[in-house]
Amino acid sequence: DAKTTQPTSMDCAEGRAANLPCNHSTISGNEYVYWYRQIHSQGPQYIIHGLKNNETNEMASLIITEDRKSSTLILPHATLRDTAVYYCIVLRSGNTGKLIFGQGTTLQVKP
Amino acid sequence: GAVVSQHPSWVICKSGTSVKIECRSLDFQATTMFWYRQFPKQSLMLMATSNEGSKATYEQGVEKDKFLINHASLTLSTLTVTSAHPEDSSFYICSASGRASGEQFFGPGTRLTVL
Repeated sequence: DAKTTQPTSMDCAEGRAANLPCNHSTISGNEYVYWYRQIHSQGPQYIIHGLKNNETNEMASLIITEDRKSSTLILPHATLRDTAVYYCIVLRSGNTGKLIFGQGTTLQVKP
Repeated sequence: GAVVSQHPSWVICKSGTSVKIECRSLDFQATTMFWYRQFPKQSLMLMATSNEGSKATYEQGVEKDKFLINHASLTLSTLTVTSAHPEDSSFYICSASGRASGEQFFGPGTRLTVL
């Protein structure tokens, strides 16, 4: 599965959009981009995933570049409860589901 | 969404004792569950993949005789840390597979402290 690169940390003002980038330049055609987050001392939470089209759900939007080498997770109106570590993971379709977590991005939402 | 529970949420034990952690899928059947370990200020590390009715598959470097995994039913997997030592103190998290191959539902975690 392709390796991902994320910034170590980011800040965002409460109520503003949080845009979290992820680089996955070695992604293959059958690999999906998954996003999870982990609030302090809790288990991770699934956010969203996509292959090549942009995706949106009640939590976030996922924008994948046309060449699929990078993506951005967008939290449209960040709240203090969105403060967490956000993980971008690339996973091959049909994979047994083994998620390999990198260091992720620590997002701090500030009042 | 699907709910996964873990029990206990925290445990303190003496060195040399064994500790069992339960992971349950509450409203769905999970043929595959995963066990992770997380040390302070570090990311999650996958320990093993647990399949119902068969032996678990351990990641490289994880001792299968020390971390016993049993997945006897479609809703329950257990992790037993045998002869625990202080270096086994960690946050243990389980997850169960969802419909998409990379979609997993995580439990709240179990914090183990070995004295």
